[in-house]
Amino acid sequence: DQQVKQNSPSLSVQEGRISILNCDYTNSMFDYFLWYKKYPAEGPTFLISISSIKDKNEDGRFTVFLNKSAKHLSLHIVPSQPGDSAVYFCAAGSTDSWGKLQFGAGTQVVVTP
Amino acid sequence: DADVTQTPRNRITKTGKRIMLECSQTKGHDRMYWYRQDPGLGLRLIYYSFDVKDINKGEISDGYSVSRQAQAKFSLSLESAIPNQTALYFCATSGGQGTTYEQYFGPGTRLTVT
Repeated sequence: DQQVKQNSPSLSVQEGRISILNCDYTNSMFDYFLWYKKYPAEGPTFLISISSIKDKNEDGRFTVFLNKSAKHLSLHIVPSQPGDSAVYFCAAGSTDSWGKLQFGAGTQVVVTP
Repeated sequence: DADVTQTPRNRITKTGKRIMLECSQTKGHDRMYWYRQDPGLGLRLIYYSFDVKDINKGEISDGYSVSRQAQAKFSLSLESAIPNQTALYFCATSGGQGTTYEQYFGPGTRLTVT
């Protein structure tokens, strides 16, 4: 039973445009959310996080939006760059079970020149 | 030097063999995790350890065992490997409750069971 879902396995976007990655979750106990980026032959690296007390968190070109009522979060990358081509994983956890994360299946992003 | 290292990086083994994957970290974190990644399934938690004396099963622990030899070392064993254990395996670490949320991942071990 996957509690975190990324329904788009892939996304192609032109350099300079916005990339929007989506993630849905089912467990209402989740109260913090993270995005990870993964290049081939490397481990996932942390990108940005948000706690449930916020609805937006920004870090440079990356912004995460959280809609708790819809149990939905999204990652916006503006502007997209070729180096952003990677697999992006959404993850969620709860402070009741601190440290245990549930991951989505990932979205492969390809940024074309 | 990498904060989280995994050995080996690649391994091919035969059905029925015992294999151990090793993980070391220099981040000083108490918490360590083992995940496997399969296409279309993301990362799934196999085992986790919140300190040297604390070992817990994750969502897919059957067929696996772990050992926490020290704060910095956490190994994963497949007692009798089977082909559906072919996957990418990642070790990760994190700080304790109340610290930041992030987990820090090693580079992964690609395991093939023939």
